[in-house]
Amino acid sequence: TQLLEQSPQFLSIQEGENLTVYCNSSSVFSSLQWYRQEPGEGPVLLVTVVTGGEVKKLKRLTFQFGDARKDSSLHITAAQPGDTGLYLCAGASGTYKYIFGTGTRLKVLA
Amino acid sequence: DAMVIQNPRYQVTQFGKPVTLSCSQTLNHNVMYWYQQKSSQAPKLLFHYYDKDFNNEADTPDNFQSRRPNTSFCFLDIRSPGLGDAAMYLCATSRPWTSGYNEQFFGPGTRLTVL
Repeated sequence: TQLLEQSPQFLSIQEGENLTVYCNSSSVFSSLQWYRQEPGEGPVLLVTVVTGGEVKKLKRLTFQFGDARKDSSLHITAAQPGDTGLYLCAGASGTYKYIFGTGTRLKVLA
Repeated sequence: DAMVIQNPRYQVTQFGKPVTLSCSQTLNHNVMYWYQQKSSQAPKLLFHYYDKDFNNEADTPDNFQSRRPNTSFCFLDIRSPGLGDAAMYLCATSRPWTSGYNEQFFGPGTRLTVL
């Protein structure tokens, strides 16, 4: 069974701090997505990484795919209250299936 | 704007009373998914369609059924909702996985309450 473990599970930080969320697996994924979900809404796609070692930036967010395509990280620089939400990674696996990570709930305090 | 639409956003039903949730998409994607998400947990895949081909997850209860009458629409039927079925139900779509960018796009979800 493929699993994606995210850490930390919960994170509460002050505005302006930096943070990193990790998404780890023992399985290889053809691609990996990161989503942010706000309460009462569906997940919103932030980025897709495909190539081992790939780094993508989205404003203050930096995403990295591990060389072996088994893990990924999301780094947020100078977090803002608007970054608050549930962050989910999801690996593309098998035939049209996505394995979701366990989720990281981030709260950024003003 | 191309998007995934779910109706209603909030649904209240009674224990045992059948309910149908709907999803439509203007993305013209071949693949459509239904997920169940309980509070602060990751979405759990119930089933997916590739065009008309239906794929049920092994642990999806028989109480949950789905229909996809055409490319744009997909329905989730819960035949006899129990209290444990109260959750957010998410619809998602994706293109065929012919390239590396196997991306899913989600609708806003329907929050189901069972009384």
